[in-house]
Amino acid sequence: GENVEQHPSTLSVQEGDSAVIKCTYSDSASNYFPWYKQELGKRPQLIIDIRSNVGEKKDQRIAVTLNKTAKHFSLHITETQPEDSAVYFCAASGGGGNKLTFGTGTQLKVEL
Amino acid sequence: DAEITQSPRHKIIETGRQVTLACHQTWNHNNMFWYRQDLGHGLRLIHYSYGVHDTNKGEVSDGYSVSRSNTEDLPLTLESAASSQTSVYFCASSESVRGNEQFFGPGTRLTVL
Repeated sequence: GENVEQHPSTLSVQEGDSAVIKCTYSDSASNYFPWYKQELGKRPQLIIDIRSNVGEKKDQRIAVTLNKTAKHFSLHITETQPEDSAVYFCAASGGGGNKLTFGTGTQLKVEL
Repeated sequence: DAEITQSPRHKIIETGRQVTLACHQTWNHNNMFWYRQDLGHGLRLIHYSYGVHDTNKGEVSDGYSVSRSNTEDLPLTLESAASSQTSVYFCASSESVRGNEQFFGPGTRLTVL
């Protein structure tokens, strides 16, 4: 089955700096790669996703890049703000159906 | 507004007891999923369903069961709870189209003593 690895597990940046979180996946048939943000005590919520026919996608301060050849994708957050502090999860959908395999999460802390 | 709900939100039970966690969605989504969340492990898939009477095992299905008798509900049952099943449980749903966003419920914190 699909295996997703996520790095780093913790990331601390200064307000206004950029943050990058990286994920690799194992199933070459995976074609959907969402990113979820989870604030403390809350449910995970989708912030951006990318499909395998696209190399990059942007939404204001957030962007995701996908390299299908290398089987890795990354989340980029620019001009970080304190409200960006949360746990971020990457995920990949395997070759069969809609189920997702999640990475182990990155705790992002944006310091003032 | 359409939503996904879970009950109870918190539960404490004794080892060996049976417990059922409820998940209810009003989006009319065909796909429903159960995950457990533990520190260091992220979200791990327990069981999932692509429609009424369809159920499938995820990566950590031992000790858990589900049934899907209608579109709206996917209850998760722990037949004989173990301390290793202490966790936060999230239910999610999505449309049938491949790769659609999964919407998560608020979670159930289960403690097995």
